[in-house]
Amino acid sequence: ETGVTQTPRHLVMGMTNKKSLKCEQHLGHNAMYWYKQSAKKPLELMFVYNFKEQTENNSVPSRFSPECPNSSHLFLHLHTLQPEDSALYLCASSQGTEDYSGANVLTFGAGSRLTVL
Amino acid sequence: GQNIDQPTEMTATEGAIVQINCTYQTSGFNGLFWYQQHAGEAPTFLSYNVLDGLEEKGRFSSFLSRSKGYSYLLLKELQMKDSASYLCAVKDSNYQLIWGAGTKLIIKP
Repeated sequence: ETGVTQTPRHLVMGMTNKKSLKCEQHLGHNAMYWYKQSAKKPLELMFVYNFKEQTENNSVPSRFSPECPNSSHLFLHLHTLQPEDSALYLCASSQGTEDYSGANVLTFGAGSRLTVL
Repeated sequence: GQNIDQPTEMTATEGAIVQINCTYQTSGFNGLFWYQQHAGEAPTFLSYNVLDGLEEKGRFSSFLSRSKGYSYLLLKELQMKDSASYLCAVKDSNYQLIWGAGTKLIIKP
């Protein structure tokens, strides 16, 4: 496989469940990101990892817990979510992090559509 | 605060030309991006402008005026497959990406 792959594509969970989203990139990139995309709202950056180290946490509630075991894999662990957390969660990767001067193009996965009941 | 403005939705006819505008107010500027996102799919990179002027890539062109805080994406010879959302994003002085809410483009036959 090539590019950025996210699983599952769709997830429905109750507020007391624990689930995880998975992201894998086959591009040899060093940086990986989690974004939240809600309808008619700008993309919200959640977490950034560069060379497996977390470099950004944009005041995300602790019910979202990221994990980056290596430069190719990124997880988002979910527990005791709220209905307002229902959204599309996008993973992305890039050659470097956002402070890399230059185009630093992001390659996105197709997203995991999360519904919290 | 930092802000990116773009129209919520636009409609155009197959074969025509459409211009999607993006205005921004950010703390500093280190480049502007356009991404395309088809429904249910990943956003994909279209263009990057860091200097004033027009960048052309086939049917798509992107324009930037830094003094006006303004960019547009121009799509020519519209095809049905161009129906998608178009996202504008600006890299600020801290190299953080600030995103617009996206413009949904509907192409009619």
